[in-house]
Order: sequence, then C-alpha cells, then structure tokens
Amino acid sequence: DQQVKQNSPSLSVQEGRISILNCDYTNSMFDYFLWYKKYPAEGPTFLISISSIKDKNEDGRFTVFLNKSAKHLSLHIVPSQPGDSAVYFCAASDGYGNKLVFGAGTILRVKS
Amino acid sequence: DAGVIQSPRHEVTEMGQEVTLRCKPISGHNSLFWYRQTMMRGLELLIYFNNNVPIDDSGMPEDRFSAKMPNASFSTLKIQPSEPRDSAVYFCASVGQTVNEQYFGPGTRLTVT
Repeated sequence: DQQVKQNSPSLSVQEGRISILNCDYTNSMFDYFLWYKKYPAEGPTFLISISSIKDKNEDGRFTVFLNKSAKHLSLHIVPSQPGDSAVYFCAASDGYGNKLVFGAGTILRVKS
Repeated sequence: DAGVIQSPRHEVTEMGQEVTLRCKPISGHNSLFWYRQTMMRGLELLIYFNNNVPIDDSGMPEDRFSAKMPNASFSTLKIQPSEPRDSAVYFCASVGQTVNEQYFGPGTRLTVT
C-alpha cells in the first residue's frame, strides 16, 4: 500500500505562473515531510521540509503547506522558472533521521 | 565534501550474472540508505544502515539481493543472480545525526538483458 501518494504524474505550467504540486499521506504517525527535486541522470536533492507542528514553511520561491487534518501537503513555486522543470518527490518520516517514504513523483514542465 | 559517491554509474549485464553496486557516504554521516527507482513504483527503500548495522531490510525484494556495510565509509548492494526485472536506477543516500534530510548519490543505472 502506498503511504505517500502523488496523484498527478505530470504538470505543465507557463513560466512566471504558480506551480502547485500535491501530496497525500495515510500514516498519521508521519511527523516530518520533505520535498525533493530530481533532474535527469542525477540523484534527488533536498528542496524544502516541514515539521508537523507547522502548517507552512517558506524558502524563497518555494512554500510548503501542510494540512494535517486532511493528511495533505502541497508545494507552491512562485514564480515558476524553466529551470524548475524536474521530477518532484514528496517524502514523509515518522522520526528524526529515520527512513523516508517517498511518493511516486510528479514531473513538472515549465514552459517559456 | 564530494557528496555521496556511487559506482559504477552505468552497468549493463546479462541475466544470471552477479552485480555489485558501491556507495561511499558523506564523511561523518552515520546512516546509509539504498533505494531503487522504477517508473512503476517510484523510489523504493530497499535497506538502511545505522552505524554500519542493518536496521530495516524489509524492502529487499528477494534473497537474490544482499547489502553490506563493512565500515562507515563503504557499502555494497549485490544482486546474484540478476534478472531483467532488476533493471532500474539504484540510489544510495546518507544522513548525519544533526540533519533530517538525506543526501543522495547520482545513482547507478542497471540494465539486465
């Protein structure tokens, strides 16, 4: 069973507009959530994270929102840039430094 | 720091052959993770080590897969015998005690014909 789900396999956005990537989880023990970005032929790189005690974390153009009651988180990228085109993975953890459970990923294409 | 190092970057082998993938974690990191990425299943955790000790190998698909971490700076993932369905990209990642975020290597693309 998939504990972390990214239901949109792909997303296409115009440069300058907002990109919203969504992620749902089922395990209520998850207390830390991360987003990773992956370019072709490279490993995933950490982008932004959020603890379950918060509902929002912002870092430059990237903001992650967490809705614990809905077991849903989203990543907002504003404004989107062509260099943001990549695969985005949502991940969740139930403890500090413990293993991460990843979603299947969403391919983001930002068109110029 | 050079980051997590994996070798080889690409491996093409015939069904039935033994395959060994290698990983050098970031110096000072005490946890190491092996993942497999496929189109169908995304990123799957195969096994992870803490202080060189295997903690959770529930993701290892079959007995054909084995992993070792003889010291803090080296780990191997072995597939024997390999099968075409093992074709995937295999990632190694490490994390230290003071951060939650895992740092990934560039991956090894394995093709079994």
